[in-house]
Amino acid sequence: DQQVKQNSPSLSVQEGRISILNCDYTNSMFDYFLWYKKYPAEGPTFLISISSIKDKNEDGRFTVFLNKSAKHLSLHIVPSQPGDSAVYFCAAGPGTASKLTFGTGTRLQVTL
Amino acid sequence: SAVISQKPSRDICQRGTSLTIQCQVDSQVTMMFWYRQQPGQSLTLIATANQGSEATYESGFVIDKFPISRPNLTFSTLTVSNLSPEDSSIYLCTCVGASGGGGSYNEQFFGPGTRLTVL
Repeated sequence: DQQVKQNSPSLSVQEGRISILNCDYTNSMFDYFLWYKKYPAEGPTFLISISSIKDKNEDGRFTVFLNKSAKHLSLHIVPSQPGDSAVYFCAAGPGTASKLTFGTGTRLQVTL
Repeated sequence: SAVISQKPSRDICQRGTSLTIQCQVDSQVTMMFWYRQQPGQSLTLIATANQGSEATYESGFVIDKFPISRPNLTFSTLTVSNLSPEDSSIYLCTCVGASGGGGSYNEQFFGPGTRLTVL
């Protein structure tokens, strides 16, 4: 039972345009959500998070949107840069960072 | 933030043997976890490494197969026992609650991972 789903395994975006990565979850107990970026041969790196009391959190070029009623969150990267090319994981937890449940990841390729 | 190192970074092992992975954090941390990422799969939590007591295992993972130690607040080991090809994965150590660092308590910091291949 996949409680956190990233339905797009890959995404290709031109440099300078917006990248939108999507994530859906099914567990109503999740109220803290995180995005991680992973380069090959490295561990995931924390990118941005959002708690269920908010619907938007912004950090520089990265914005995460949360739609609780739809159990959906998205990560927007504007403008996209070639260095953003990586695998992005969505993760969710029950209010704390322990016991995170991860999605399967979306591979983002930013082209010149 | 916390800096986590893992040893070995990769290994190739024979079926039936065991591999012990070491995880070292550069500061005392509240919680340490071990995850597994099988090929093409998501990251799956194996267990919470508890300092001074037995680890807490997630459904589908047992102590006999994945014994874990955490002798202090900066170090943990994961052993993958009686290896089979199905154990070929990346094993990741993570921590939460790094002292002295910025950011939210709710950030989990990941080590670089150990890539295990079982022949």
